[in-house]
This record gives sequence, structure tokens and C-alpha cells, in this order.
Amino acid sequence: AQSVAQPEDQVNVAEGNPLTVKCTYSVSGNPYLFWYVQYPNRGLQFLLKYITGDNLVKGSYGFEAEFNKSQTSFHLKKPSALVSDSALYFCAVRALMDSSYKLIFGSGTRLLVRP
Amino acid sequence: DTGVSQDPRHKITKRGQNVTFRCDPISEHNRLYWYRQTLGQGPEFLTYFQNEAQLEKSRLLSDRFSAERPKGSFSTLEIQRTEQGDSAMYLCASSFRDRGVDEQFFGPGTRLTVL
Repeated sequence: AQSVAQPEDQVNVAEGNPLTVKCTYSVSGNPYLFWYVQYPNRGLQFLLKYITGDNLVKGSYGFEAEFNKSQTSFHLKKPSALVSDSALYFCAVRALMDSSYKLIFGSGTRLLVRP
Repeated sequence: DTGVSQDPRHKITKRGQNVTFRCDPISEHNRLYWYRQTLGQGPEFLTYFQNEAQLEKSRLLSDRFSAERPKGSFSTLEIQRTEQGDSAMYLCASSFRDRGVDEQFFGPGTRLTVL
């Protein structure tokens, strides 16, 4: 069965410091991987996706994520955090060989960037 | 605004009542998804349409739930005989398959409270 784990409920970082939000996945075959961000009272916003190719994927708002097949991880990163990055972040997976188009989401990680 | 829209944004109902939610996808998006999100959890897949055809339903979608997408445009999700356990945020997403893997764009959600 497909699954996504986000081991940290909350990540705290000071503004200007680098941030990492962790995600590991379990899926049969090759994965499609996604990161979404959710602000209060708003829907999920797409940040970036990994399909194939370069393991380092660049996305919106200066975020990037690194795909590591051997560790089955897809950690979200940003070199310099902003207070406005404070939000709820979700990692999601879809199996390449799966005929389903549904996304399997992790439980989310709350990012708090302090000034 | 050309994003996914959902109506209503909030719904409070009494146990046993029926409720219906509407989702308007991004224009020309041929795929439409419904997810449910409870507090502290990531979205969980409910069902998926390609054009007007409902191609997949989750086991979470009990007999009290029904979804339609007439003419392949907007979609409705109806819950009959609501229960307190149905209280959640109901998210709609849409996507367009062109080439590669299509990311899903989410609406703001409908928050259902069952008293």
C-alpha cells in the first residue's frame, strides 16, 4: 500500500536560516511526488513535483526538494526562510504504475518561522 | 478568479440532515477530485471523475455519499443522513491531462459541522 510519512509535526526556524521539512514515502515502483502548502482558511497550493530526471526539483516561492530513491525521501528545502513561509506543508505521492490518479498525503508539518 | 471554487464555504447541519456541496473546477480541466480532511490530518481521497465518468471511489465513500459531475463541468457531493463523524473539510481539486503528470489544483474547501 502507498503511504507517506512526515515525521515532524512542527518545524521551527529563525527567519533567514535554511529550512528542511522531511518526507518519506512507500510505494510500489517509481513514485510521483508532490509538495503542497496550506495557509489558514485557504486550499492547498501546489509548490513542486518530482516525476523523473534531476533529483533536485525547484518550485514556487524559492522552495526546492531533493528526491532520494535509496532513502525513499523527498525533503522540502529553502535556503533562507521568511516569516511568510509559516504554514502547513503536505507531502503527497502517486505511484507511476498505478492506474489511480489519487494522491496519498502525509499528515502535514507545521512550519513556524520566527522573526 | 479562475481557480477552483467551492460552495458553500461553511455548512452547519444537524445530524440526520442531507447536505450538498458544489465544486466548479478550473475551466477546461477534465479531471475532478474530492478529498476529505479532518483536523490534524492530510487530505484523504474520496472520488475522482474524468469528464463526466466517475472512475474511482474510495472505501471511505459510504453509501450515504454520492457524487456527480453532469456534463463534465461542475460537480456535487451529497451526504445523506449526516453523522457527527462526517464533520470535516471537504476539498475539491481539478487537473488537466496534457503531457506528463498533471498536478491537482485545490479549491478553498467546504467546512462541514454536524451537530
